[in-house]
Amino acid sequence: AQSVTQLGSHVSVSEGALVLLRCNYSSSVPPYLFWYVQYPNQGLQLLLKYTSAATLVKGINGFEAEFKKSETSFHLTKPSAHMSDAAEYFCAVRGNNAGNMLTFGGGTRLMVKP
Amino acid sequence: GAGVSQSPRYKVAKRGQDVALRCDPISGHVSLFWYQQALGQGPEFLTYFQNEAQLDKSGLPSDRFFAERPEGSVSTLKIQRTQQEDSAVYLCASSLLSLGGGEREKLFFGSGTQLSVL
Repeated sequence: AQSVTQLGSHVSVSEGALVLLRCNYSSSVPPYLFWYVQYPNQGLQLLLKYTSAATLVKGINGFEAEFKKSETSFHLTKPSAHMSDAAEYFCAVRGNNAGNMLTFGGGTRLMVKP
Repeated sequence: GAGVSQSPRYKVAKRGQDVALRCDPISGHVSLFWYQQALGQGPEFLTYFQNEAQLDKSGLPSDRFFAERPEGSVSTLKIQRTQQEDSAVYLCASSLLSLGGGEREKLFFGSGTQLSVL
């Protein structure tokens, strides 16, 4: 079965600083990996996804993530944090059964200080 | 067109009460998923529909939980005899397809129904 682990339930950065949100996966097959963002009182929104093409994936809002098979990681980064990036971020892996449903990590709340 | 719509936005229930949560997926979307998101946690899969067929209900936590999608569009998640541990945000998501990759597989989430059981 596939699973993801997000290290750090809360991350705080200063505006303009590098954002690094960690995600490690466990999968018996080549994984499809996703990052979602959830703003307060809103649904989850897809930031980016890895589907075995390029290992460096660029997403919306300046975010990117790098798939590293040797480290079983898919960390999310952004060079310069904005106040508007404050939200909950979820890493997810897609399953191989009917519907290919997503298995989510526990989430990381990103706080951005002025 | 409109996104995935869920109602009610908030639901307060007394323990033992039955509740029904509604999901209106994007028109034409074949796949529909229900997730449960407890406070401070990631969403957890409950059940999956392809059109009107419920193909996976392995995530439903007990037989008090029941979901249906009789005409392959609107879906209802019903919880009978609610318990305090049922308190969570219930998320619905839909996609055009579940296979094939690309944009057709992209999941669109609703804003959820926050259920509080007192």
